[in-house]
Formats: sequence, structure tokens, C-alpha cells
Amino acid sequence: EVQLVQSGAEVKKPGESLKISCKGSGYSFTSYWIGWVRQMPGKGLEWMGIIYPGDSDTRYSPSFQGQVTISADKSISTAYLQWSSLKASDTAMYYCARQPHSSGWYYYWGQGTLVTVSS
Amino acid sequence: EIVLTQSPGTLSLSPGERATLSCRASQSVSSSYLAWYQQKPGQAPRLLIYGASSRATGIPDRFSGSGSGTDFTLTISRLEPEDFAVYYCQQYGSSPSTFGQGTRLEIK
Repeated sequence: EVQLVQSGAEVKKPGESLKISCKGSGYSFTSYWIGWVRQMPGKGLEWMGIIYPGDSDTRYSPSFQGQVTISADKSISTAYLQWSSLKASDTAMYYCARQPHSSGWYYYWGQGTLVTVSS
Repeated sequence: EIVLTQSPGTLSLSPGERATLSCRASQSVSSSYLAWYQQKPGQAPRLLIYGASSRATGIPDRFSGSGSGTDFTLTISRLEPEDFAVYYCQQYGSSPSTFGQGTRLEIK
């Protein structure tokens, strides 16, 4: 069974750093792209970027380029989304999801990680 | 980037009725690379349709997708109580992939 299990909710202060994770199981982790999607409170879905764990090829939406870093450790089948300096506007639910190729849809989703940034 | 505009913003219907949701793209979506998702409160989105008209595994046949180019439609033939949710379209033919702003389907 394919599963994407994300790390737990985080509460951080502005300026702090954060790295959240998404662990894949039940399939060949290095053969599928993993995408990250943001959902701010009460708002819609926003595509942030994707990574191919097989070779770490990474692509970002221009809206998120330079704001976050997407990475992966194929040895432990885990993808990451990280911030070096959080802002209150980063408060959101973040989902990872698996896509079949570099341009694709998302059938398998993680359960989401809620990130709250507040002083 | 391609902007997807969904209409209406909110659709109020009764169980048993037919729902028609629209997704319009600011430029042509290549190869009909368009997907539809359903999201209920507190849940991750659920894939309904990909490739504009292919139903995802396990999706009831009351859900259907159509369209090409810049105009796409999600149709729910007979609404069931569990269908009331928010629906999003996504284009994945051009980078960056983008989502529409969503249509809320509510019980009338």
C-alpha cells in the first residue's frame, strides 16, 4: 500500500528555521516525483514545487523560489520542505503528494503538516 | 504561468440534482493535462479526474470530466450527500503547475 506520512504539526516564531518531512512507503521512492502544496487557512491549493528523489532534480514555482528549499534523502525514502527564516505568512497546511512523472496529477497525498508561525 | 479560473465560486444544489463546475484557463492547457480534486474539511484533496476526462481509481461514475484547450468541466450527474465539498482543478501541462481557486458545492 502506497503511503506518504508527514511529520507532525509545528509552532514556530518568526525568524526561526524549520524542516518538515514526508516519508514514502509501499513503492519505489526513487521512481516518482514528490510535490509540495500549500493551503493557507481557509484558502485554496498552491503548487510549490517538486523533486525527483532518484537524482534530486528539483523545480520550484516562481512564487516559492528562494522562499523554501525542497530536498530528499532517498536512503530513508523521505522528502523535505524547509525554511531558513519563517514569516507569519508561512502559516498554512502543507501537503506532500506523489505524481507519476515530472508533469502530473496527485493521487497519493500525505495527511498534511500544519505550520503555525506566531510571536 | 497559466491562471485557472473556476466558476461559480459557490454552487447551491440539492441531493439528486446535477452539478456542473467550470474551469477556464488563461491559455491552452497542453495535451488536456487537467485534473480535478475534491476536498472535504480537515482532509487532504482527493483526485477525481486526470487527463481532463479519465476517472481516477475508485471514483464513482457519476463524476465525469470533459473539455480541452482552455475550457474544462466537471459534472456530477446525481449529487449524493457525500459530494458536498470544495472542488479544485489543476493544470499540469505547463510549469509551474497551477490550481484554480476552488468551487464550493453546498447543500441547498
